[in-house]
Amino acid sequence: GAVVSQHPSWVICKSGTSVKIECRSLDFQATTMFWYRQFPKQSLMLMATSNEGSKATYEQGVEKDKFLINHASLTLSTLTVTSAHPEDSSFYICSARDPGVPNNEQFFGPGTRLTVL
Amino acid sequence: GIQVEQSPPDLILQEGANSTLRCNFSDSVNNLQWFHQNPWGQLINLFYIPSGTKQNGRLSATTVATERYSLLYISSSQTTDSGVYFCAVPLQGAQKLVFGQGTRLTINP
Repeated sequence: GAVVSQHPSWVICKSGTSVKIECRSLDFQATTMFWYRQFPKQSLMLMATSNEGSKATYEQGVEKDKFLINHASLTLSTLTVTSAHPEDSSFYICSARDPGVPNNEQFFGPGTRLTVL
Repeated sequence: GIQVEQSPPDLILQEGANSTLRCNFSDSVNNLQWFHQNPWGQLINLFYIPSGTKQNGRLSATTVATERYSLLYISSSQTTDSGVYFCAVPLQGAQKLVFGQGTRLTINP
């Protein structure tokens, strides 16, 4: 299956700082990527849809000025958590679909664990 | 929007046992995926199964789209099968996925 990577795998930062998370499709080009957030012992919640070359589409309740998404190329989307606070501590996961595959199967990155002190 | 419900929420079994996990969804869908989230958080694709039955080793899945449910079967469970199993379906007309709450499976040696 298609391979999606994320970097970093974990990050610890101080409250008030910004953190950038990268999501890459390694063996395919993805015009669309998705960002999810997962709190402990909960399910994945979609935060936003990242569109190459255009603005991201955010889900209801997700602050677009706090979670900046940039999809500057067909293999890279970035999520920047701005002015992070302890309540932003979570597991962030991205996904993408390989448009070369004749179905809508999505593949997920390994996730980034963010801890804000 | 579409609702996805998984059952049971928790399942504890001895190694070697068989199990059936269920995923109900509230609206018609054109695809459904099953995932295993391992202890490190990685989501592993198990099945892409919009309808019918598929098998992969000790795992198999069946989706009955007309009755809006899917089942995941795990036979001869191993401790490495432990983790959380999620099903996910797309929002109508969109690629984005809606996840169920998951089934936490614990296989004891």
